[in-house]
Amino acid sequence: SYELTQPPSVSVSPGQTARITCSGDALSKQYVYWYQQKPGQAPVLVIYKDSERPSGIPERFSGSSSGTTVTLTISGVQAEDEADYYCQSADSSGTWVFGGGTKLTVL
Amino acid sequence: QLQLQESGPGLVKPSETLSLTCTVSGGSISTSSYYWDWIRQPPGKGLEWIGSIYYSGSTYYNPSLRSRVTISVDTSKNQFSLKLRSVTAADTAVYYCARTRRDCSGGSCVRIGAFDIWGQGTVVTVSS
Repeated sequence: SYELTQPPSVSVSPGQTARITCSGDALSKQYVYWYQQKPGQAPVLVIYKDSERPSGIPERFSGSSSGTTVTLTISGVQAEDEADYYCQSADSSGTWVFGGGTKLTVL
Repeated sequence: QLQLQESGPGLVKPSETLSLTCTVSGGSISTSSYYWDWIRQPPGKGLEWIGSIYYSGSTYYNPSLRSRVTISVDTSKNQFSLKLRSVTAADTAVYYCARTRRDCSGGSCVRIGAFDIWGQGTVVTVSS
């Protein structure tokens, strides 16, 4: 089955830049979506179609794509950004697949 | 503002059927612009997409669950539902309903996988 690979954890100090990667064989052909999930809450969409930001999401969240790896970048990380982040895309059959998640720790 | 709310039993016995309903408020489920989805998250683990339904009744399922899952829609009640048969402890999870977009251009429509609105989630435990 198709897999999206994320690092289990990323740590940054406040004000620094956090980069969370997501790798998958089909990512050069399929859009990627990113979600933020805080403990006990439902996920929130923070990036869609690789790099678009939904209304209400701070500008410090951005997305980029290069071949089979996509990156969620959080510039000027704030304490409130500490959360789990999931990437999501589709396999060749149109099944939505999520990455394993990355825990972002703000030191 | 559109809201989704899951409801259903929080405890299901092994081998029985898990049944959940998602009620859509603040908007109509009978829109050509969206699909309605179920996603789950086992305790301490990641997200797993279960399936989607369009208001007309067209469905898409995760192949790993297809043999046990049925998603249906009731437009008169503005609800869609999930049934998962023959459950085991591995089906214990928080179950979310969510909305995804449908984009149409040039005479064809595609599913856009941005889950932009989610319910709060409901915990379902499979145990005797």
